[in-house]
This record gives sequence, C-alpha cells and structure tokens, in this order.
Amino acid sequence: DARVTQTPRHKVTEMGQEVTMRCQPILGHNTVFWYRQTMMQGLELLAYFRNRAPLDDSGMPKDRFSAEMPDATLATLKIQPSEPRDSAVYFCASGPRGGTDTQYFGPGTRLTVL
Amino acid sequence: AQTVTQSQPEMSVQEAETVTLSCTYDTSESNYYLFWYKQPPSRQMILVIRQEAYKQQNATENRFSVNFQKAAKSFSLKISDSQLGDTAMYFCAFAGTSYGKLTFGQGTILTVHP
Repeated sequence: DARVTQTPRHKVTEMGQEVTMRCQPILGHNTVFWYRQTMMQGLELLAYFRNRAPLDDSGMPKDRFSAEMPDATLATLKIQPSEPRDSAVYFCASGPRGGTDTQYFGPGTRLTVL
Repeated sequence: AQTVTQSQPEMSVQEAETVTLSCTYDTSESNYYLFWYKQPPSRQMILVIRQEAYKQQNATENRFSVNFQKAAKSFSLKISDSQLGDTAMYFCAFAGTSYGKLTFGQGTILTVHP
C-alpha cells in the first residue's frame, strides 16, 4: 500500500529555532506539493515541484521558508528562523502525471512554535 | 484565480440517513478536476471522490456520490446510509488542468449521530 510519509509527525520548538520537515513521496509520482493548514487560513499551497524542479513557491514567506527536493525520494521544507505564527499542520502531497491527477496526502507534521 | 466556497460550516445527520454537502466554485477554465477530501480527527486527508469536468456523468464511490452541475459551477457531495466513521471535516477542492495546485474550500464539519 503506497503512501506518502512525513517526518516528524509532531514538532515543538522555540521561536528562532530552525525547523526541517521531510517528505517521502509515493514512488513513481513526479509532483510534490507542500500545503499548510491553519484555522484562520485553511489549506494553502506553499510550494510545488515537478520532476524535482520548483515550479511555484509563491505561497512561501521567502525570507524564512525554503523548499527543496534533493532527490526523487525526498522533499524538505525548512523554516529558519521559526516564529509563533508558523504554528500549523504542514502537509506534503504527491501526484502522478504532472499533478493534475489526484494528489495523495501524507499524515502531516503538526508544528508548534513557542 | 479560482475560488471554492463551502457555505455550510457544520452539518449533522443521524446514522443511516442521507446528507448532502454543498460546494460552489469559480473558474474561467473549461476543463478541470474537482475533488472531495475527508479529514477525520486523525488529520489525515483522504480522497473521497473525484470528478473530471469534461465527463457529464456524476462520479460515484460506494455510498458517496456527487451532483456536478458544470453550468452552475456546483459540486455537491451526497453521503447515503451515513455511518459513525463518516464524522469528519470535508473539503471540496479544485485543480485546473494546466496546473495541479489544489484550491480548497473552507470545509464542512460533518457529525454523524447514533
């Protein structure tokens, strides 16, 4: 049963610390998305990769967030420095065929910044 | 830009009854995909059903079916024979064919009562 995996599942950190979230997409999927879920904003796209190349990261605060795909089996989302307003659930999703088909979500990383 | 609107913040239904969740969207694209995702308390985003806009036939998955009205830009979800395990937040989502990004509605919290 192929699944998207994310680590860590939970992260509590203090303001100013660096946070790295990792995602392993489903083998064979060529698109990866990072979404953030908050009570106020709902689900919003942060970044989008196709064939490991970043296509859209307009949803990310550029001064503190960065997203990369060092290889086809790993996507990372980094926040440095973290702020309390970054507290949210961060989801990674992967999809086949350019991303216009169904996206499959990981279990999410719940981030709390104190 | 696409928008997705779910006008029912909360719904409740008795076990074994039928409930319909509403969703409207706005887009200038002629072809696209529409989805319903379920998010139970575990936070996992689970695909419920998928509709391709060029297909006139409404999608069905077991107890779940949609009423897709392309001209009205409406995409409602009907859950038949509701079960306690259907209790969750339900999100309607849109994806264009030129870009795989999902645009989500605000969500509807569904509670199934015994």
